[in-house]
Amino acid sequence: NAGVMQNPRHLVRRRGQEARLRCSPMKGHSHVYWYRQLPEEGLKFMVYLQKENIIDESGMPKERFSAEFPKEGPSILRIQQVVRGDSAAYFCASSPPVSGVGGELFFGEGSRLTVL
Amino acid sequence: GQNIDQPTEMTATEGAIVQINCTYQTSGFNGLFWYQQHAGEAPTFLSYNVLDGLEEKGRFSSFLSRSKGYSYLLLKELQMKDSASYLCAVREAAGNKLTFGGGTRVLVKP
Repeated sequence: NAGVMQNPRHLVRRRGQEARLRCSPMKGHSHVYWYRQLPEEGLKFMVYLQKENIIDESGMPKERFSAEFPKEGPSILRIQQVVRGDSAAYFCASSPPVSGVGGELFFGEGSRLTVL
Repeated sequence: GQNIDQPTEMTATEGAIVQINCTYQTSGFNGLFWYQQHAGEAPTFLSYNVLDGLEEKGRFSSFLSRSKGYSYLLLKELQMKDSASYLCAVREAAGNKLTFGGGTRVLVKP
């Protein structure tokens, strides 16, 4: 039973390029969350999606960042025109449909973006 | 707004007990979670509290007081492998999103 799969695990981009990070949720999970983590810091919420629907994007920067979770295929976090400040670990998590009890998030191993 | 506070770092000795406190102020509350994260790895779920009181899971226990906006994670019989960051997170009433504190780095010394 595969866990949350993220790829690439490591990505190097030059300033101005685009970064695409992919996340396949656990089997049976229909909710996906993206978090960003800077070194020695906690996880900062970015966006929460269900299939073909953005539920909460309150943590997404207004420009250059976008996310999708299509009907088929993985969720994608896209960062256009990357800058050095985008260098971070990006974690994806998934969960089953909302329930009244429990409902912990299951995290992937993260994608580490380095912007040169 | 949301505010989740926990100490930045703690040091303890192998075999001892460490208590990591977490205080929160959120607009809603639908559960408090603790995660463990080793350096360079994914966070892994440790415990969940939604009602006041103590939840025990082996060497790890978590306590919640909703009226005080307070939780703690208790690690007993510390082992070297417990050296990690411990993240406190709150789920507000709406949706399943978790809001995390900054994490507490625990260093276990021999």
